[in-house]
Amino acid sequence: GAVVSQHPSRVICKSGTSVKIECRSLDFQATTMFWYRQFPKQSLMLMATSNEGSKATYEQGVEKDKFLINHASLTLSTLTVTSAHPEDSSFYICSARVGEGETQYFGPGTRLLVL
Amino acid sequence: QKEVEQNSGPLSVPEGAIASLNCTYSDRVSQSFFWYRQYSGKSPELIMSIYSNGDKEDGRFTAQLNKASQYVSLLIRDSQPSDSATYLCAVNNQAGTALIFGKGTTLSVSS
Repeated sequence: GAVVSQHPSRVICKSGTSVKIECRSLDFQATTMFWYRQFPKQSLMLMATSNEGSKATYEQGVEKDKFLINHASLTLSTLTVTSAHPEDSSFYICSARVGEGETQYFGPGTRLLVL
Repeated sequence: QKEVEQNSGPLSVPEGAIASLNCTYSDRVSQSFFWYRQYSGKSPELIMSIYSNGDKEDGRFTAQLNKASQYVSLLIRDSQPSDSATYLCAVNNQAGTALIFGKGTTLSVSS
């Protein structure tokens, strides 16, 4: 199957700082990547859809100025959590879609802890 | 509001039994259906996809789709303790641009 990586796998930061998370498709080109957030014991929540070369589409309730998404190439999308606060602490997971199909392959996730 | 419903469980089965996981969806025009497995603290991994009515088998896993009833299920034969995880059902949205996930069913297989 398609391989998606994320970096870093875990990050601890102070409140007010910004954190960048990278999502890479390793063996395929991904025109579309997705960013999810998952709080403990809760379901996956789609934050935004990222298309290469265009602006991301954010889900209702997700602040686009706080969660900056850049999809500059067919293999890399980044999520920057700006001015992070403790309530942003969560498990952030990206996924990538292969070609025009609808199957999504997930990265291993990034666990963010904001102190 | 398009929805995907799953019983949160936990569903407990003994080792070697068949585990049956169910999912219903509200959007009648949905065409693509997926089952993902998520171990605690890990990201989801794809188990199976199904697009046509009927059964699709892959090893110990069988996905069943009934579009008329808007119902998709996953059967796990010869359940193993390593199958203990949360199983997520996902359905494509109307535009086909994203997946809508259920909240997942937690499966516990006891040895």
